[in-house]
Amino acid sequence: AQSVTQLDSQVPVFEEAPVELRCNYSSSVSVYLFWYVQYPNQGLQLLLKYLSGSTLVKGINGFEAEFNKSQTSFHLRKPSVHISDTAEYFCAVSDPGGSEKLVFGKGTKLTVNP
Amino acid sequence: DGGITQSPKYLFRKEGQNVTLSCEQNLNHDAMYWYRQDPGQGLRLIYYSQIVNDFQKGDIAEGYSVSREKKESFPLTVTSAQKNPTAFYLCASSSEGSNQPQHFGDGTRLSIL
Repeated sequence: AQSVTQLDSQVPVFEEAPVELRCNYSSSVSVYLFWYVQYPNQGLQLLLKYLSGSTLVKGINGFEAEFNKSQTSFHLRKPSVHISDTAEYFCAVSDPGGSEKLVFGKGTKLTVNP
Repeated sequence: DGGITQSPKYLFRKEGQNVTLSCEQNLNHDAMYWYRQDPGQGLRLIYYSQIVNDFQKGDIAEGYSVSREKKESFPLTVTSAQKNPTAFYLCASSSEGSNQPQHFGDGTRLSIL
């Protein structure tokens, strides 16, 4: 069964600093990968997804992620964060040959301080 | 605008009571899902449905029940058998195919009185 590990449960950064949120997945075969953001007391919004092709994926709000098959990683990055980026971020994986089910990591809480 | 509507936003349950959480979507999606979110636990799948009149158990189905009588609707009942129901419940939907992202509602927070 697939599993997703988000290596940091909390990441504090200062405004305008770069940030990287780490995500590793368990499968060595083809996968689809997703990053979602959740603001307090809201549902999840899709930030970006990797299905195939270029390993660098650009998403909304200036975020990007890089797919690394050899390291089974899909880390999320932003070169300069804003206070409004404070939220919880979830990495998720699905199986191209399987159902539409997603397996989620436990989330990383990003706090951007002034 | 298309989207997913969950209601109510807040819900309180008494001991021994069943409560039903509503989820409606107008995205014309075939698949719908219910997740439970607890602090530090991420999202755990309760039930999912890929087509009307069919649904499957997820990882934590005990104490919950669902129905899928219409494509647009996927209500979740939290039964009295669920001994620890306090959590944030999220409903989602997606088009067919594992490459399709899921779209989420804004959640229902359930608490015990």
